[in-house]
Amino acid sequence: EAGVAQSPRYKIIEKRQSVAFWCNPISGHATLYWYQQILGQGPKLLIQFQNNGVVDDSQLPKDRFSAERLKGVDSTLKIQPAKLEDSAVYLCASSFEPGQIYEQYFGPGTRLTVT
Amino acid sequence: AQSVTQLGSHVSVSEGALVLLRCNYSSSVPPYLFWYVQYPNQGLQLLLKYTSAATLVKGINGFEAEFKKSETSFHLTKPSAHMSDAAEYFCAVSGGGGNKLTFGTGTQLKVEL
Repeated sequence: EAGVAQSPRYKIIEKRQSVAFWCNPISGHATLYWYQQILGQGPKLLIQFQNNGVVDDSQLPKDRFSAERLKGVDSTLKIQPAKLEDSAVYLCASSFEPGQIYEQYFGPGTRLTVT
Repeated sequence: AQSVTQLGSHVSVSEGALVLLRCNYSSSVPPYLFWYVQYPNQGLQLLLKYTSAATLVKGINGFEAEFKKSETSFHLTKPSAHMSDAAEYFCAVSGGGGNKLTFGTGTQLKVEL
């Protein structure tokens, strides 16, 4: 079974530029999550999708971050414009359904450096 | 609201020694508790989870954790550390609907010869 795929693995941009990350979840997984992991901290949920609908985006900085999952499969997270404090690893995860009994499977992450 | 506190951002043990990583949680509802491991440049992998079925939970790679409600703790242990256990370990809590995970700040485990 293929795992959660993310690209790119690494990205370096200057502040005020824009950037996009892509995630392809495990086949058949209805729920998709984007997490932000700042160095020295645990992952923080940015947004959760159930199929192509948003379940929770309470911690997404909506003035600069956006995410979509148009066909209920893969997803894109965008930052526009980037700030220095956005430097982090962005993790995508998926689960079969949203309930706690369903394990979240994580991708390898995209490491973003904003200079 | 839920939160977890991991005591000790860095833990160092000798190979063959007991591993003990501490996690205390706060939750307004009966919690589900998780331990994840993260190797360098990789995503998180689930080690074990507590879902109210049994207080002593066994996971992969010889790890186990015990849920203690009276102490609001879910400490991770392994009887004998191996060099391959060197990684960062995260405790997480989930409660209510949606499967939202709230992570601790992580504990970096170093295993020395």
